[in-house]
Parts: sequence; C-alpha cells; structure tokens
Amino acid sequence: NAGVTQTPKFRVLKTGQSMTLLCAQDMNHEYMYWYRQDPGMGLRLIHYSVGEGTTAKGEVPDGYNVSRLKKQNFLLGLESAAPSQTSVYFCASSQPGLANNEQFFGPGTRLTVL
Amino acid sequence: AQSVTQLGSHVSVSEGALVLLRCNYSSSVPPYLFWYVQYPNQGLQLLLKYTSAATLVKGINGFEAEFKKSETSFHLTKPSAHMSDAAEYFCAVSGNAGKSTFGDGTTLTVKP
Repeated sequence: NAGVTQTPKFRVLKTGQSMTLLCAQDMNHEYMYWYRQDPGMGLRLIHYSVGEGTTAKGEVPDGYNVSRLKKQNFLLGLESAAPSQTSVYFCASSQPGLANNEQFFGPGTRLTVL
Repeated sequence: AQSVTQLGSHVSVSEGALVLLRCNYSSSVPPYLFWYVQYPNQGLQLLLKYTSAATLVKGINGFEAEFKKSETSFHLTKPSAHMSDAAEYFCAVSGNAGKSTFGDGTTLTVKP
C-alpha cells in the first residue's frame, strides 16, 4: 500500500497563478484533510471531507477550494496564488471509528509563491 | 471546542538524558490524543496514541506518554535521548469528524 500520496512535491508559482494539489489514498478512508504548515504555527486545517462529494471549511479556508469527486482523491485548488500562501501543504486521511481517528499523512507539497 | 498547548517551542537535551515534552489539552468530550514526529522535509509520523485503555501509553522508538485527566496533560517522555530523536514533535487532540487540533510543535535538539 502506498498510503497517502501527494503531487507535486515542489512547486513555484507567480502571484496570481492558479494550481491544483492532488492527494490520493489507497486505504479506503472516508475522511480526508488538507493542512498547511508554517514555521511556529503547527498545522492548520484548510478544508476537510467526511465522504465522497462532501467538503467543509476548516480553520483557514480563504483563498482555497477543494473537491472530493472520488473517495480516494482530495484536490486542493488555489485560484489566484498570493505570497501568503507560501507554505508546506499536507494531506491526511482517517477512518471514523478506527484507531481512535488516527490520521495518516502524505509527504507534503512545498509551495512557494513569488 | 478543543485546543492543545505545547509548552516550550524548543527543547535541548544531551544524548542519554531524559526527554520530556509537555502537552496540555482541552476538550469538551473524552479526548483522543496523539503524538506525532516530523523529521526534516518529511510528513508527520504517529509516535503513539491514547486509546483510553491505559493511562500510560507506549509508542515507537522508546517513547511513552501518560494521560492525566486531572491535569489535562499528555506529556511525552523518553528515558534516554538518542541523536536520531532530533525532530519536531506535535501533540494533537481529535474530536468531531475526526478533525484534529495540533499544537504549535516542539523542536527537540539532542547534543552529543
């Protein structure tokens, strides 16, 4: 099992450009999450999904959109990138009622917005 | 609402010394508690989790944590630090919809 994978691993954007980050999991988990990690601020939840076709806002959703068209995939979109979105983005998944809601993390995407 | 406070953003110990990383939480329901470790340029890896079966939880790499409800704490310890333990450590509490709230992290430095 690959677990949780993220593409791309690195990306550099110019202000105003758009991009989509892809997260895929092969564990048949219902829940998926997108976090951003900034120095000294831990992980902050951007959006999450409790099942195929559903999404919800997290702590810092502004400037991001998500879609969960297939259970195994969770896409994070930036419509018009800003320097404040320079960060490391982590995707995670979990299964309700299993392992006390332990989350499984991808390796991260390092995004720089110039 | 749930929250996590990690006391000390940086902890430095000598190799072979006790490691103590502090975590306090607040939760309106019985919490699920976790410690994760992050090595440079990698994702988060689970160290251990509180399952309510036992208050002393043993994890990987010789780490353990004790759940103390009266103190709302879940501190992480290791009797003897190794150079390979140098990393960033995150405490997390899980609640509604499996959403986890993470602490700001503690960077552990191990001196030779």
